[in-house]
Amino acid sequence: ETGVTQTPRHLVMGMTNKKSLKCEQHLGHNAMYWYKQSAKKPLELMFVYSLEERVENNSVPSRFSPECPNSSHLFLHLHTLQPEDSALYLCASSLTTGIATIYFGEGSWLTVV
Amino acid sequence: ELKVEQNPLFLSMQEGKNYTIYCNYSTTSDRLYWYRQDPGKSLESLFVLLSNGAVKQEGRLMASLDTKARLSTLHITAAVHDLSATYFCAVGIWETSGSRLTFGEGTQLTVNP
Repeated sequence: ETGVTQTPRHLVMGMTNKKSLKCEQHLGHNAMYWYKQSAKKPLELMFVYSLEERVENNSVPSRFSPECPNSSHLFLHLHTLQPEDSALYLCASSLTTGIATIYFGEGSWLTVV
Repeated sequence: ELKVEQNPLFLSMQEGKNYTIYCNYSTTSDRLYWYRQDPGKSLESLFVLLSNGAVKQEGRLMASLDTKARLSTLHITAAVHDLSATYFCAVGIWETSGSRLTFGEGTQLTVNP
């Protein structure tokens, strides 16, 4: 139990589908992140939300759409994805003060067919 | 652009032996993180190093940071099978809205009996 919970853990979707990944943190943090882990590339930062406001979009294609309705929840809405988007999507959270260790969720394995 | 290089990428070692994983990074950073990832699992935070000369130890793992050389090391002492995992270093750029991590490629460690 890491304090950061992601659902679903596994998702298979077609290129024309619309789906969402959900993340919830129970740590009282005020910053949340989406990272992408592909087989052949290092972990990449996608989005940063601080106090529910998006503060970074790391050149991510518009077919990925994040949403942060409150400081405990983060979504990643997916539509018209490509097979190369298949990856492990990791949600993370931290405080914005102090040492600010970043805690990761278990991840959502996404396969685009 | 910040680059983080780990070596070796693959490490096979015998139980009881010592070894060091190296993490070089290209630009000045606020903090250096080490994570462990078991297959199919999330990233587990091991260490956060905040200043030049910082050394932290937990069990058989010891991490150090030399900000002048832009180098961090993760030293494994008397390895045991349970340490088999992939180890990532990540360089953090700290902003008031949270930390942005740039990860190395990871070192896949296998400890053999």
